[in-house]
Amino acid sequence: GAVVSQHPSRVICKSGTSVKIECRSLDFQATTMFWYRQFPKQSLMLMATSNEGSKATYEQGVEKDKFLINHASLTLSTLTVTSAHPEDSSFYICSASGRGGYQETQYFGPGTRLLVL
Amino acid sequence: QKEVEQNSGPLSVPEGAIASLNCTYSDRGSQSFFWYRQYSGKSPELIMSIYSNGDKEDGRFTAQLNKASQYVSLLIRDSQPSDSATYLCAVNYGQNFVFGPGTRLSVLP
Repeated sequence: GAVVSQHPSRVICKSGTSVKIECRSLDFQATTMFWYRQFPKQSLMLMATSNEGSKATYEQGVEKDKFLINHASLTLSTLTVTSAHPEDSSFYICSASGRGGYQETQYFGPGTRLLVL
Repeated sequence: QKEVEQNSGPLSVPEGAIASLNCTYSDRGSQSFFWYRQYSGKSPELIMSIYSNGDKEDGRFTAQLNKASQYVSLLIRDSQPSDSATYLCAVNYGQNFVFGPGTRLSVLP
């Protein structure tokens, strides 16, 4: 149990374009989803927390207009990086926690590697 | 500010030895504690959870929790080169879930 998927696993895009990353909980209902960013050899950095059906809560320093998060259902959250620039190149990881014994911890997706040229 | 601290390492141990990873946290009200393993270039995976004082064993892994001293540790027995990874300690504070910076473990063959 507790499987979280992410799509795509890797994306390369041109500067100025927008990229959407999907995060799905496959076998449980994710009441809360988290989005992280990780640069090489650095720690996980929490970007935002989203609860199903409500607006995401962003961490300090994360631009909400640049990183759009939607958590419209109990199994799907999306992160859209708008007008991506090379400095947005990073490893984006989602995690989820939810109902039915899955509320205590976070289960991570496999991550999406974004390269902006 | 709720904090979780770990020694960043690297911690190097020879193959077959016991690796000991430590973590301290700031809030006595914490109830849930977790260890994740993250291989280079991959996302974290949950390996242990512990909720009450004492030891919890799962295969070669033992998590230890001491709420009075506010620390949680992870012991890896018979360490293997495949255990080389970054180990993240995480604490569920109820409204917040906080990760430590991770300790990089290197098991030398």
